[in-house]
Amino acid sequence: AQKVTQAQTEISVVEKEDVTLDCVYETRDTTYYLFWYKQPPSGELVFLIRRNSFDEQNEISGRYSWNFQKSTSSFNFTITASQVVDSAVYFCALKGDQGGKLIFGQGTELSVKP
Amino acid sequence: DTGVSQDPRHKITKRGQNVTFRCDPISEHNRLYWYRQTLGQGPEFLTYFQNEAQLEKSRLLSDRFSAERPKGSFSTLEIQRTEQGDSAMYLCASSAKGSYTGELFFGEGSRLTVL
Repeated sequence: AQKVTQAQTEISVVEKEDVTLDCVYETRDTTYYLFWYKQPPSGELVFLIRRNSFDEQNEISGRYSWNFQKSTSSFNFTITASQVVDSAVYFCALKGDQGGKLIFGQGTELSVKP
Repeated sequence: DTGVSQDPRHKITKRGQNVTFRCDPISEHNRLYWYRQTLGQGPEFLTYFQNEAQLEKSRLLSDRFSAERPKGSFSTLEIQRTEQGDSAMYLCASSAKGSYTGELFFGEGSRLTVL
């Protein structure tokens, strides 16, 4: 069975702070893909980043960075110098090597206060 | 606008009525997905199509739910004899042909309220 767990339900930070969102996943597939999506108050889920299971290189893209560790089945997402516009619900998701569906975590609601 | 579009955006109905949602995917995308999201939860997979073929259905999709994609373009999700527990946001997403990485593009959703 595949499962994604986001233990943090809500996080509140002050603008310009760095914030890390945690994600732990379970899968028996040897090839899989991990994603982060953002859902602002308007409701539309927006794709942010994707990582393949065979590439553990961590990257930085602007203010976003992610830390993928297969040994701990974690795929954490960091926003550097947070801004009020980052306030949203963030979802981690997993896709196995069979079928096309994504399995989503419960989401972490991030509130960035000015 | 070339994104995924859903209609209606909001539907209020009485228990026992039937409702139908429509989704128009991004034009070159051959996969189309339906998800359901309730307050405070992540999206839950319902079903997906590749072209007109329905390839997978979740156990969440009871007999009262039916989805179609007759010509491999737009899709409809019908809920018969609605129950209060069906109140949720119904999300549609599409992905590109040959996109093995599975990146989904979502619409803004159709919110269902069953009174």
